Amino acid sequence: GAVVSQHPSRVICKSGTSVKIECRSLDFQATTMFWYRQFPKQSLMLMATSNEGSKATYEQGVEKDKFLINHASLTLSTLTVTSAHPEDSSFYICSARVSVRGRAFFGQGTRLTVV
Amino acid sequence: AQTVTQSQPEMSVQEAETVTLSCTYDTSESDYYLFWYKQPPSRQMILVIRQEAYKQQNATENRFSVNFQKAAKSFSLKISDSQLGDAAMYFCAILLQGGSEKLVFGKGTKLTVNP
Repeated sequence: GAVVSQHPSRVICKSGTSVKIECRSLDFQATTMFWYRQFPKQSLMLMATSNEGSKATYEQGVEKDKFLINHASLTLSTLTVTSAHPEDSSFYICSARVSVRGRAFFGQGTRLTVV
Repeated sequence: AQTVTQSQPEMSVQEAETVTLSCTYDTSESDYYLFWYKQPPSRQMILVIRQEAYKQQNATENRFSVNFQKAAKSFSLKISDSQLGDAAMYFCAILLQGGSEKLVFGKGTKLTVNP
């Protein structure tokens, strides 16, 4: 099956710094990538949808200036958490989809801890 | 807006027995997909089974099957011959084919398999 690689799997950063998370589709071209956030013992909440070469579409309540998403190629999307605060600590998961009705494949997730 | 409800926060089953996880959803659309995802302790999201709304036949994947009741907007997952490796969080999700085509997840059910 298709593989989505997310890096890093864990990251600790200091409050006020920025951290970048990468999501790569290894063996297919992803027209659409999605970024989710998951708090402990909770469900996945969609943060934004990104299509290659265009601006991301953010869900209501998600700060687009804080969570910068870049989808520069059909195999790579990045999420940058800018000026991170402890409340940004969470588990972030990306998924990638080949086509409109295609199956979505998930990355392994990134556990972000802001200290 | 579409919603997905999983009314069982936790379930347990004895190894080799059968368990059913409940899911109901609400949408005004007629064209959609329904999914069950498994999230083990590794946090990797794994697709368990998929059902197209236009198909009346219930989807099956080895020991996993669904009971799809479109009129009742119900989509339960049955796990037969439960194995220790089935222990995980299980999320029900809906994907609409119109609009943004994003996955909406339920809050999840934690399944424990007792030896």
